[in-house]
Amino acid sequence: DVKVTQSSRYLVKRTGEKVFLECVQDMDHENMFWYRQDPGLGLRLIYFSYDVKMKEKGDIPEGYSVSREKKERFSLILESASTNQTSMYLCASSHDEAGFENIQYFGAGTRLSVL
Amino acid sequence: AQKVTQAQTEISVVEKEDVTLDCVYETRDTTYYLFWYKQPPSGELVFLIRRNSFDEQNEISGRYSWNFQKSTSSFNFTITASQVVDSAVYFCALNDYKLSFGAGTTVTVRA
Repeated sequence: DVKVTQSSRYLVKRTGEKVFLECVQDMDHENMFWYRQDPGLGLRLIYFSYDVKMKEKGDIPEGYSVSREKKERFSLILESASTNQTSMYLCASSHDEAGFENIQYFGAGTRLSVL
Repeated sequence: AQKVTQAQTEISVVEKEDVTLDCVYETRDTTYYLFWYKQPPSGELVFLIRRNSFDEQNEISGRYSWNFQKSTSSFNFTITASQVVDSAVYFCALNDYKLSFGAGTTVTVRA
């Protein structure tokens, strides 16, 4: 079974702190993604990566950065956390299949509260 | 503009009733894939089904079935004889060059 593991289920941080959310997948997937999930908005793509050291902006990258130093690990960084970044963060991974048929596999999510 | 619209925010049914979830999508591309994912209370989204834009054949898989109609840009999903374990948030998604999700429909199945 594909396993995508997010390091924390719940996280509480203070405004202005630097926050790291870690994600590890064990299926040698090329693609990795970070989403945030908010009520009524569904999932919105923050950043994604198709290869090591490679990153692409998604729909809402402002206030976030990412790091992919190893194929299995994709980190989301909040440089200076703000209260409007309180949300559920979901990591996903997929194989690099041709076309748009890729199934994404998700972690259990990290619920971040910024106070 | 929203690419994937799930008009139903919440649906509540009694066990054994059928549940149909509506999904309408928008794309200019002729090649794309449609997906349904389930998010149980544990939080992890689980892939359920996918359909490519060239295959409008509707199928049944166990208690799940789906109705894909290109003419109306709809990809509806039905759970037959619902069970309490079906309680979850269901997301419809479109991949035409990247994956776009709808807002989700919360399904509650009461015993």
